[in-house]
Amino acid sequence: GAGVSQSPSNKVTEKGKDVELRCDPISGHTALYWYRQSLGQGLEFLIYFQGNSAPDKSGLPSDRFSAERTGGSVSTLTIQRTQQEDSAVYLCASSSSHASPLHFGNGTRLTVT
Amino acid sequence: AQTVTQSQPEMSVQEAETVTLSCTYDTSESDYYLFWYKQPPSRQMILVIRQEAYKQQNATENRFSVNFQKAAKSFSLKISDSQLGDAAMYFCAYRTEIKAAGNKLTFGGGTRVLVKP
Repeated sequence: GAGVSQSPSNKVTEKGKDVELRCDPISGHTALYWYRQSLGQGLEFLIYFQGNSAPDKSGLPSDRFSAERTGGSVSTLTIQRTQQEDSAVYLCASSSSHASPLHFGNGTRLTVT
Repeated sequence: AQTVTQSQPEMSVQEAETVTLSCTYDTSESDYYLFWYKQPPSRQMILVIRQEAYKQQNATENRFSVNFQKAAKSFSLKISDSQLGDAAMYFCAYRTEIKAAGNKLTFGGGTRVLVKP
């Protein structure tokens, strides 16, 4: 596609439910990143996929968070048993190499009620 | 671990005038990259300008320029001839040169820029 695509754009869920957020990176980009942006804050790194290498999960805040990337393309970020503090904008980005600029999607705004 | 600090929560500028956003960072590394990103209400992060730490010359992109002071660990962004479309959140970000870290960025808390017509 022309850019990084994320869905849904907005998601409202009840506390305790599981949610899945989707990211479709730019075609051919081998690196994919998830960031979280809490209200009024900067971005916080969550997880990084590079090709077929094991992902860097060092930013995931708890074991309720997981992500996968199927076929080296689309990625899904899953949050289990959502809590109110999980409310944030979740941004996905991709790049063609580790040194190339990041291209960001428009994010998913998650609201946990 | 690296940290990035933006001390100005909000800056206001008159259209056609100049505004400077400050950013300081803390690192023990000698090679790294610094970035300024713009985030309009659409939420998409847009790269404004990038600086390699090994380059002494300050990066420039049209109306955007930086003042990179490596010893002081300072990386300010100057927006000249401000336009209404420049209104957005601006984030300063740091990236290590270590290849295994990829494009993991450490972001500052952001500065909101308001442009008055």
